[in-house]
Parts: sequence; structure tokens; C-alpha cells
Amino acid sequence: AQSVTQLGSHVSVSEGALVLLRCNYSSSVPPYLFWYVQYPNQGLQLLLKYTTGATLVKGINGFEAEFKKSETSFHLTKPSAHMSDAAEYFCAVSKNQGGKLIFGQGTELSVKP
Amino acid sequence: DAGVIQSPRHEVTEMGQEVTLRCKPISGHNSLFWYRQTMMRGLELLIYFNNNVPIDDSGMPEDRFSAKMPNASFSTLKIQPSEPRDSAVYFCASTKRGAGDTQYFGPGTRLTVL
Repeated sequence: AQSVTQLGSHVSVSEGALVLLRCNYSSSVPPYLFWYVQYPNQGLQLLLKYTTGATLVKGINGFEAEFKKSETSFHLTKPSAHMSDAAEYFCAVSKNQGGKLIFGQGTELSVKP
Repeated sequence: DAGVIQSPRHEVTEMGQEVTLRCKPISGHNSLFWYRQTMMRGLELLIYFNNNVPIDDSGMPEDRFSAKMPNASFSTLKIQPSEPRDSAVYFCASTKRGAGDTQYFGPGTRLTVL
């Protein structure tokens, strides 16, 4: 069975600081990995995804994530946090493209001025 | 593109009443997913359809829940009878299989069962 673990339900950073949100997964097959962002009272928006190929994936709003098979990780980073990045972030895994997503519990990111 | 449309956005009902949530996927998409979000359980898949056919309904909590997709542009999720523990945000998402397969989410329906 597939599962996703997000380390830290809440992360707080200062504006301009590095953002690092951690995600580890378990999967019996090569996974498809996703990061979604949810702003208050809104639906989920895709930040980036890994399917095949290059393991460093760039997404919207300056975010990127690196697929590390040996560590079963897919951590999300952004070099410099902006106030508008405050939101909840979800890591998800799927065993095939277009299939159901298994989500982590989410990490709430706060950005301090 | 209008995106995934869900209605109503908010629903408040009393225990025992029937609740129907509606979803219009993005035109041209052929897969549709219903997810539920709660504080206790996070985001979990309830059911998904490919080409209007239910593929995996293992996440449907119990017989009180049912979902239909009568055509490619409309789906419903029905709860009858509703219970307070059904209170949650219900999301619909759609994707076009074989064309990137990114799931696009609607804004959600916030259901409160009193």
C-alpha cells in the first residue's frame, strides 16, 4: 500500500528565509509524486509533480522538489519565502498517472515579516 | 476555462436529512474524483470515475454514501441520511487521462450536519 508522511504539521519561517517542507513516501511501484498548495477556503492547486525523468522538478511560484529514490523522499523547497506563500501544503503519491492520490496530512506554512 | 465547478459551496443541514453535492468537471476531462477533507482524517479519496464508470469506491464510508456520474459533465455525491460525523469539506477533482493527468480541484463544498 502507498502512504505519505509529511514531517511537521506546522512550519514557520521568516520572510526571505529558505522554505523546506519534508515529504517521505512508501510505494511498492515507481511512484508519481505531487505537491499541492491550499489557500484558506480554496481548493487545491498543483505546485509541481514528478512522473519520470529529471529528479529535480521545478514548479510554480519559485518552488522546486527533488525526487530521491534512495531516501524515498520528495522534499519541497523555495530559496526565499514570501508572505504570500503562507498556506497549507500537501504531498501526494499515486501509483499511476491519472490514478487516485494518496495525500499526506499536510504542513501549514507560516511566514513571519 | 471555468475550472471544476462545485455546488453548493456551503451546506448546513440537520441530522437525518438527505444531502446532494454536485460537480461539473472541466470540459474534455474523462476522470472525476471525490475527496473528503477533515481535521481528523485529512484528505481521503471517496470514489473515482473513468469515462463515467466508477472505478474505485473503496473509500466510500458506508451505504449512506452514493455517487453517480450520469454523463461526462456532471456528477453527484449523495448522503442519506446525513450524520454529524459527515461534516467535512468535499472536493471534486477532474483530469484528462493520458494528457498530463494533473488533477484539477474544485473549490469544495463545506458541509455541516447539525
